[in-house]
Amino acid sequence: GQQLNQSPQSMFIQEGEDVSMNCTSSSIFNTWLWYKQDPGEGPVLLIALYKAGELTSNGRLTAQFGITRKDSFLNISASIPSDVGIYFCAGQRIQGAQKLVFGQGTRLTINP
Amino acid sequence: ETGVTQTPRHLVMGMTNKKSLKCEQHLGHNAMYWYKQSAKKPLELMFVYSLEERVENNSVPSRFSPECPNSSHLFLHLHTLQPEDSALYLCASSIGERPAGDTQYFGPGTRLTVL
Repeated sequence: GQQLNQSPQSMFIQEGEDVSMNCTSSSIFNTWLWYKQDPGEGPVLLIALYKAGELTSNGRLTAQFGITRKDSFLNISASIPSDVGIYFCAGQRIQGAQKLVFGQGTRLTINP
Repeated sequence: ETGVTQTPRHLVMGMTNKKSLKCEQHLGHNAMYWYKQSAKKPLELMFVYSLEERVENNSVPSRFSPECPNSSHLFLHLHTLQPEDSALYLCASSIGERPAGDTQYFGPGTRLTVL
């Protein structure tokens, strides 16, 4: 079945540092999504990417849809304590009611 | 008004109990989804409903029974569950028809513990 490989699985950084994480797949996707999940809550959409090569920013967050359509990355600049959480990538292929394939998540911990 | 709501937020049940999880979306979407999130595993898609019809059943055991009475409400009926069914159950919704991509929005989840 379809699988996404998300890395790293966890990150421990100092406040103010930049963060980078990525997802790769053996399959092509039409859409890449990045979500953040806080403890005890559902995933919240951060950025949605719809075109190969697309680079999109949302405040301090920047994500790109890889040219091959098999990968995506998320960067966070100048991290702050509220960035702590688990970040998930998700790929989407099917039109209509669509199926999401999720990565395993990247757990971000920030030392003040 | 929060986009996707789920109740209850926490549920503890015995293996012989029958309970139901409820999801409601206030976004005018046509598609709704149930996911299971277990520790250290990717989110697993369970069911997809589009315009109140089930369009996907991802080999889910029959002890999980979904119901979608209208496009705004989705239920997951639970009976004779096993301890390994303990997990966070997430509901999501999306517009349902969008060639360029159909973004899903998630509820806060129900934390289920089966004793």
